[in-house]
Amino acid sequence: DTEVTQTPKHLVMGMTNKKSLKCEQHMGHRAMYWYKQKAKKPPELMFVYSYEKLSINESVPSRFSPECPNSSLLNLHLHALQPEDSALYLCASSRTRGTSGGITYEQYFGPGTRLTVT
Amino acid sequence: DAKTTQPTSMDCAEGRAANLPCNHSTISGNEYVYWYRQIHSQGPQYIIHGLKNNETNEMASLIITEDRKSSTLILPHATLRDTAVYYCIVRVALDEGGSEKLVFGKGTKLTVNP
Repeated sequence: DTEVTQTPKHLVMGMTNKKSLKCEQHMGHRAMYWYKQKAKKPPELMFVYSYEKLSINESVPSRFSPECPNSSLLNLHLHALQPEDSALYLCASSRTRGTSGGITYEQYFGPGTRLTVT
Repeated sequence: DAKTTQPTSMDCAEGRAANLPCNHSTISGNEYVYWYRQIHSQGPQYIIHGLKNNETNEMASLIITEDRKSSTLILPHATLRDTAVYYCIVRVALDEGGSEKLVFGKGTKLTVNP
């Protein structure tokens, strides 16, 4: 199984709402990622989790709150978003390179959640 | 992070080889070159990666110049389903646990024509 699933596929929310995006993988990957992609732009990294711990936050506003409850699940909690946060939110996972370095691994992406903030 | 430069768009006839160039002149010795593609409204898909040597898999071939400052992705027999944005990425290791950062450039929009 090389699939990363994301729910919901589409989400429309108001600026005062609280919602969550969910990502799941069963490939045994211990690195999981959130990316944001605006229309006609490349994906931009938001967060990285490594062994269920947040290892990178790319200066993302606090209205986005990630959570990794276990090695298969990654959530993105949304609160008080702005219309400019409307975008495709992509989740990805990968194996992790060993601490001794060596080979590196590709990231597997989910299909994304299309978020519209009204 | 090493930056990459790609042409904005390219066209290719169906059945012909598509050769997508990428410049990465600031790449360092331990950075890999990765290629991903994104078909409209889908998540990016891994294609191939390499460090120094040329690589080939069932999807494509990757040719890396000896000085590693540029590379070319080759789709040997392009089909209409290969129409997508192709991203050339230089990978940067993030932490000792081995999770890595993908920094996407603007990519090349490849259109395969019938």
